Amino acid sequence: SYELTQPPSVSVSPGQTARITCSGDNLGNKYASWYQQKPGQSPVVVIYQDSKRPSGIPERFSGSNSGDTAILTISGTQAMDEADYFCQAWDSHSVVFGGGTKLTVL
Amino acid sequence: QVQLQESGPGLVKPSQTLSLTCTVSAGSISSSDYYWSWVRQPPGKGLEWIGHIYYSGSTYYNPSLKSRLSISRDTSKNQLSLEMSSVTAADTAMYYCASLIAATGTGYFLQWGQGTLVTVSS
Repeated sequence: SYELTQPPSVSVSPGQTARITCSGDNLGNKYASWYQQKPGQSPVVVIYQDSKRPSGIPERFSGSNSGDTAILTISGTQAMDEADYFCQAWDSHSVVFGGGTKLTVL
Repeated sequence: QVQLQESGPGLVKPSQTLSLTCTVSAGSISSSDYYWSWVRQPPGKGLEWIGHIYYSGSTYYNPSLKSRLSISRDTSKNQLSLEMSSVTAADTAMYYCASLIAATGTGYFLQWGQGTLVTVSS
């Protein structure tokens, strides 16, 4: 079965750029989505179709996907961005999630 | 905007069947715009896709759970349901109902319910 791998944790200083990776076999041939989940809340999509932002998601969130790796980039990271982030791919009517990355804003 | 609300028992005994319902509002479960999905999250862990049902009635399940699953819908009540048999403590999780948008080559969850915590314990 298809698998997506994320680093368990990423740390960033306020105002800096955070990059969270998601790796999978030929992931670049699929579309990746990213979800933000804060404690006690349901996930929220922040990037879909590799690089598109839903309405209401700040411009500092961006995404890319090429080769085996999708990347979620948060520019000018703010304290409010501290959360768990999950990548997700769609594969033949099935859904696969990455294990999640805890983003800490120090 | 579609809203989803999960409901069901918060405690299920081992070996029994877990049954949950998701009520959809501000949208039709008969719409071809969405796959109506279930996703779970064990405490402190990541997200796991359980399965979904399309407006046509076609169902798709996580292969690792498929033998224990049934997802159905009631169009008259605008609800979808999840049944998972032979549960164990490993099935203890927050269970989310979500709407998934699928287009050419892509599928992503647009809206999520607030989730319902199910604990498997005797």
